[in-house]
Amino acid sequence: DTGVSQNPRHKITKRGQNVTFRCDPISEHNRLYWYRQTLGQGPEFLTYFQNEAQLEKSRLLSDRFSAERPKGSFSTLEIQRTEQGDSAMYLCASSQGARKQFFGPGTRLTVL
Amino acid sequence: AQKVTQAQTEISVVEKEDVTLDCVYETRDTTYYLFWYKQPPSGELVFLIRRNSFDEQNEISGRYSWNFQKSTSSFNFTITASQVVDSAVYFCALSEAAVLHNAGNMLTFGGGTRLMVKP
Repeated sequence: DTGVSQNPRHKITKRGQNVTFRCDPISEHNRLYWYRQTLGQGPEFLTYFQNEAQLEKSRLLSDRFSAERPKGSFSTLEIQRTEQGDSAMYLCASSQGARKQFFGPGTRLTVL
Repeated sequence: AQKVTQAQTEISVVEKEDVTLDCVYETRDTTYYLFWYKQPPSGELVFLIRRNSFDEQNEISGRYSWNFQKSTSSFNFTITASQVVDSAVYFCALSEAAVLHNAGNMLTFGGGTRLMVKP
């Protein structure tokens, strides 16, 4: 049973650098979500794809953030010019239609 | 706007005690889903249950039970005879029941309750 996978699991970067994370959803799932979770808080929605179309973006997703899902399969989330406030766990989830979302293990980003 | 409140930030119990985690939500939608997820120390969110707003029947699954009360906008979670392995952060979440085909079902999470079960 292949679940949602995310790479890398941990990323340490210096302020101002660009980082890119990858999410591989469950293969038959057409919906993919990105969430961000800061320490001691619940996850917050960032963006949502249905197949390759990015249909919703949160106000949390500043201009420095961009997400793609080029072939409707895996997705990437890029953060440009990272800031210390970007330090968080970035979670990816997938679902088939409006059914329950399955989450990946997350990518923990630390910006020094 | 949707909001989920988990007033208990941390609960500590001794193994075999029963424990209830509270969840109160706010939404203008008449149709919505409620969820509970478990986040163990490994970090991965594990799905526990989804209920729709039209189904107020309480549910029991092994040692877990859920009490949904629409009148008080609450969806509480009880663990009976707690075990050390139940130690985790538990999140309550809410999503709209999307009517439009392409509308997402983004989850709005509460702040979580950290449960510590001591042997």
